Amino acid sequence: DIQMTQSPSSLSASVGDRITMTCQATQDISTYLNWYQQKPGKAPKVLIYDASNLATGVPSRFSGSGSGTDFTFTISSLQPEDIATYFCQHYDNLLVTFGPGTKVDVK
Amino acid sequence: EVQLLESGGGLVQPGGSLRLSCAASGFTFGSYAMSWVRQGPGKGLEWVSVIIGSGGTTNYADSVKGRFTISRDNSKTTVYLQMNSLRAEDTALYYCAKGDGSHSLLFDYWGQGTLVTVSS
Repeated sequence: DIQMTQSPSSLSASVGDRITMTCQATQDISTYLNWYQQKPGKAPKVLIYDASNLATGVPSRFSGSGSGTDFTFTISSLQPEDIATYFCQHYDNLLVTFGPGTKVDVK
Repeated sequence: EVQLLESGGGLVQPGGSLRLSCAASGFTFGSYAMSWVRQGPGKGLEWVSVIIGSGGTTNYADSVKGRFTISRDNSKTTVYLQMNSLRAEDTALYYCAKGDGSHSLLFDYWGQGTLVTVSS
């Protein structure tokens, strides 16, 4: 089974900072990788699909890259409303694996 | 407007059963895969099960295989999750999520969740 890891598990940054987090798969998953944002008490929301494509209506400060086993998610200029936990998700052959998440807060 | 409304959660004893429902509206229900995703208290997301648009194919996480059954009624635009032999570790908020295609596991809409607590 493919496992997903994320790092860091949490981070704290200032408004306006560029932040980056990573997601790693235990096997080559091509670009079958999505990123979700979950704000406290809310359902998740898709931000990036297929590793690097911005979902509809998502601000351009969010971006994703990578393929194979290593993926990166970036917020180019952190905003107060970006306080959330970010999960990567691998999908293939009607199976889904989520990463454990990266919790982001603002200093 | 797409809406997903889960119901059926509650308190159940270990070994018991529950059936969750997710009533959908605002899209052509039978054309989209539907999944259940759960989140234990203070924990991350765990995918549970998927059923494709036609209902002909399903799949499950290993942790629930043989205990949970997903089904859908396209005439009622509702997806169900029958949960049997419940364990304490099944305690979670259960979300219904819509795929962006008939076989898709890209979740573009989510419900608000229904809470399942397994405890004696």
